[in-house]
Amino acid sequence: SAVISQKPSRDICQRGTSLTIQCQVDSQVTMMFWYRQQPGQSLTLIATANQGSEATYESGFVIDKFPISRPNLTFSTLTVSNMSPEDSSIYLCSVGGMDTEAFFGQGTRLTVV
Amino acid sequence: ILNVEQSPQSLHVQEGDSTNFTCSFPSSNFYALHWYRWETAKSPEALFVMTLNGDEKKKGRISATLNTKEGYSYLYIKGSQPEDSATYLCAFRRQLTFGSGTQLTVLP
Repeated sequence: SAVISQKPSRDICQRGTSLTIQCQVDSQVTMMFWYRQQPGQSLTLIATANQGSEATYESGFVIDKFPISRPNLTFSTLTVSNMSPEDSSIYLCSVGGMDTEAFFGQGTRLTVV
Repeated sequence: ILNVEQSPQSLHVQEGDSTNFTCSFPSSNFYALHWYRWETAKSPEALFVMTLNGDEKKKGRISATLNTKEGYSYLYIKGSQPEDSATYLCAFRRQLTFGSGTQLTVLP
């Protein structure tokens, strides 16, 4: 199992600003995943963060909008840049979920005004 | 694009009722099907990871079945309790693709 500490748990931000979300895992993991859930939608994978290489982004998500850092095997950040109201979502980091169950952070509830 | 669909979208049941909901997914290239429970302000929590056609798994009052040939899984809750109120998500394949969830409310 894995315990993930994610922060902030929620924030209200002005449009045009950026927010960085942090996730700390209690064990070393190769891959960390970042998801978004927009209101009324399913959890959607944004990108996979690998230590020592650039993140791999899913279709519809780009590095300029969602830069990711992965400085070591226990930590990652996701930045939501130049925010607009459409970025209002719950953002989750996760580990596992390939051959076994996934473990998630507590989520960041972001509101952009 | 993988389509993972869950129904119903939301459900209200009385305490003590049994209930079930459905997850449908593409039947080709099956790898695994996951079920998660997501309570408000908490992390999604894994319920089951199912890999074999015909699998049936149980955890207390909650059970799930899997049919990979026709591409569906059922989640059952027996004797629903208010603490079962949550959004139940299924996720498909090796790189998890999630359905939009079934929001369950159990009324006391």
